[in-house]
Amino acid sequence: AQTVTQSQPEMSVQEAETVTLSCTYDTSENNYYLFWYKQPPSRQMILVIRQEAYKQQNATENRFSVNFQKAAKSFSLKISDSQLGDTAMYFCALIQGAQKLVFGQGTRLTINP
Amino acid sequence: NAGVTQTPKFQVLKTGQSMTLQCAQDMNHNSMYWYRQDPGMGLRLIYYSASEGTTDKGEVPNGYNVSRLNKREFSLRLESAAPSQTSVYFCASKVRGRALGNTIYFGEGSWLTVV
Repeated sequence: AQTVTQSQPEMSVQEAETVTLSCTYDTSENNYYLFWYKQPPSRQMILVIRQEAYKQQNATENRFSVNFQKAAKSFSLKISDSQLGDTAMYFCALIQGAQKLVFGQGTRLTINP
Repeated sequence: NAGVTQTPKFQVLKTGQSMTLQCAQDMNHNSMYWYRQDPGMGLRLIYYSASEGTTDKGEVPNGYNVSRLNKREFSLRLESAAPSQTSVYFCASKVRGRALGNTIYFGEGSWLTVV
């Protein structure tokens, strides 16, 4: 069975700082996808970034980047130059051949002015 | 630019009542999903449908039924609502294909309260 673990229930940083959210996962498959979703207070689920397991290069999207360590089954999200609008719940998620997207418990990130 | 549309957005039910949450997507996706999110928790999969005409149980299927009416629509039914089913429900759909990243797109959520 696939599992996703986020060990940081809450994090708080100052605006403009860099913050890293941790995620570890377990899967028996070799071909899978990893995602970070952002959920602001509106509860909308917004895709932040995705990573294909077969790609060694870490994905980046503007201020967001990941550190994908396949052997260690680790998938952390780095937010650079954090902004007040980054305040949200962040969920790490995994999907493999069975098509079921499995989520971690989430990290509540607060960006302080 | 509708994407995934869920109705209703808010609903209050009495214990024992039944209701159906509707979901439709206009992106020609094959796979559709129903998740629930309880306060302070991540999303848990209730049911999913890999293609029209097929449905499978997820992590928390008890108390729910689903129908994949056609490729666009996937409904979730609560036959006899219980307070434990108070939650936010999300419908989602997924494009199949390596080039498209297997990304799942979510609706805006349906807030259900059972009293």
